[in-house]
Amino acid sequence: DQQVKQNSPSLSVQEGRISILNCDYTNSMFDYFLWYKKYPAEGPTFLISISSIKDKNEDGRFTVFLNKSAKHLSLHIVPSQPGDSAVYFCAASDGGNEKLTFGTGTRLTIIP
Amino acid sequence: DVKVTQSSRYLVKRTGEKVFLECVQDMDHENMFWYRQDPGLGLRLIYFSYDVKMKEKGDIPEGYSVSREKKERFSLILESASTNQTSMYLCASSLNRQAGASPLHFGNGTRLTVT
Repeated sequence: DQQVKQNSPSLSVQEGRISILNCDYTNSMFDYFLWYKKYPAEGPTFLISISSIKDKNEDGRFTVFLNKSAKHLSLHIVPSQPGDSAVYFCAASDGGNEKLTFGTGTRLTIIP
Repeated sequence: DVKVTQSSRYLVKRTGEKVFLECVQDMDHENMFWYRQDPGLGLRLIYFSYDVKMKEKGDIPEGYSVSREKKERFSLILESASTNQTSMYLCASSLNRQAGASPLHFGNGTRLTVT
């Protein structure tokens, strides 16, 4: 049972345009959401997070939006750069739990 | 900067062998985790530990065990390797028990092939 879903395995975006990566979840107990970025042959690195008391969190070119009623979050990257080409995982946890549940990942390719 | 080091980048083992994957973190983190990454399945949690000698099963613990004798070291053990355990194994650590507020720091992974 996949509690965190990334329905787009891949996405291609022109350099300079906006990249939008989507994530859906089913567990209403999730209250903290994170995005990780992974380059080939490296471990994932933390990118940005949001708690369920917010609906938006911004960090430079990266913004995460949370729609609790739809159980949906998205990561916006503006403007997209070639170095953003990577696999992006969303992840979720339910309060005080050590465990993170990850999605299946979306491979983002930025086209120069 | 947190450093999580996995002892091997690539391993090739035979079916039935006992396999040890080692992980060390240098930032005194309480929590340590073992994930495996497979195409189309994302990252799946095998085991985690929130203290020395403590361990908790993750989502896919079957066929694996772990050992945490020291705070900085977390070992994943495949008692009898099988071909369906061919995967990328990722170790991670985090500062405290609240996973959401304490991001995971990952090692670079060990690609294990079981033939």
